[in-house]
Amino acid sequence: DQQVKQNSPSLSVQEGRISILNCDYTNSMFDYFLWYKKYPAEGPTFLISISSIKDKNEDGRFTVFLNKSAKHLSLHIVPSQPGDSAVYFCAAQLDSNYQLIWGAGTKLIIKP
Amino acid sequence: GAVVSQHPSRVICKSGTSVKIECRSLDFQATTMFWYRQFPKQSLMLMATSNEGSKATYEQGVEKDKFLINHASLTLSTLTVTSAHPEDSSFYICSARDRGPFGYEQYFGPGTRLTVT
Repeated sequence: DQQVKQNSPSLSVQEGRISILNCDYTNSMFDYFLWYKKYPAEGPTFLISISSIKDKNEDGRFTVFLNKSAKHLSLHIVPSQPGDSAVYFCAAQLDSNYQLIWGAGTKLIIKP
Repeated sequence: GAVVSQHPSRVICKSGTSVKIECRSLDFQATTMFWYRQFPKQSLMLMATSNEGSKATYEQGVEKDKFLINHASLTLSTLTVTSAHPEDSSFYICSARDRGPFGYEQYFGPGTRLTVT
């Protein structure tokens, strides 16, 4: 049973445009969400996170939106840059001490 | 930010031998570390949770006698793949937990590529 779903295995976006990566979850008890970026043969790198008490968190070009009623979060990257090409993982936590539950990842390709 | 290292980054071993992978938190103490493996084009799969000074907690389906985990200090956890077989070839990643602004956050090592021939 997949509790965290990233339904798009890949996404292609023109350089300079906005990239929107989506993530859905089923467990309403999740209270903390994180986005990680991963290059091939490297460990994931933490990007941005959001607590369930918020609906938006912004850090530079990255913004995460949380819609608790829809159990949906999204990561916006604007403007998209070639270095953003990577696999992006959405992860959720049940509480601040618990392990991460991962989505399957979305491969983002930024076209020049 | 917090830094986690892994050693080695790549290892090739023969079938039947054992391989040890080290995970170190370089600038913080981690009472809890996690071990993941990743198959090509798949998500990270949690193998076990390693707590300093106690036995690791293994996820369902992970053989604890095959994947030995030792968390002997607050900065070091090791994963030993015993009697490795080609199907154990994978990318192994560790993470260490540290307190962030909203609670605990995980910082990941760079990963270890294991190839069993």
